Amino acid sequence: QQQVKQSPQSLIVQKGGISIINCAYENTAFDYFPWYQQFPGKGPALLIAIRPDVSEKKEGRFTISFNKSAKQFSLHIMDSQPGDSATYFCAASMHQGAQKLVFGQGTRLTINP
Amino acid sequence: GAVVSQHPSRVICKSGTSVKIECRSLDFQATTMFWYRQFPKQSLMLMATSNEGSKATYEQGVEKDKFLINHASLTLSTLTVTSAHPEDSSFYICSVWTDDSYEQYFGPGTRLTVT
Repeated sequence: QQQVKQSPQSLIVQKGGISIINCAYENTAFDYFPWYQQFPGKGPALLIAIRPDVSEKKEGRFTISFNKSAKQFSLHIMDSQPGDSATYFCAASMHQGAQKLVFGQGTRLTINP
Repeated sequence: GAVVSQHPSRVICKSGTSVKIECRSLDFQATTMFWYRQFPKQSLMLMATSNEGSKATYEQGVEKDKFLINHASLTLSTLTVTSAHPEDSSFYICSVWTDDSYEQYFGPGTRLTVT
């Protein structure tokens, strides 16, 4: 029940295309859903996050779509660029106090020029 | 967001020795820090939650006597891998939790190689 399932495991997108990564969770107590971007040999960087009181959040080319009833959320990267090539992790936590993040398995995204 | 540093960025040690990794919150006083390990091409695995001035809380399966965590100040937490073995070779990452935004910010990681 604590798991967050992420798909696909790897994704190849052409430059300028839309990259879509999906996550699903079981624990309805989760109420904070961040996405992290990680480059090889580096720590994860917070990309964008959403709370379940909204269905969508957009920051630049990055958009989170959230479906509370389906317990699913996704990351959309518009106009994907080669510099977006990285591993992306979704996560979930309960935002009461310093709560542990439960991470998805990660998606290795490659943007072909 | 919070700026987090780790030292060293890379360390190679011999089997049986101990290694200390520092995690510093440079611009934020962090009452809570987290320690993760990450194997190649895998997700992050939470090892422990470090609270300033108190004992760390370890995740199930993580040996607290092997992975010693000290959070002596609001800006510094240390992870000591004692009697390291080759299977401890991994990427260790810390994060700080900010209570104003509920967000976690990660350090750049420390690559530990035990020979």
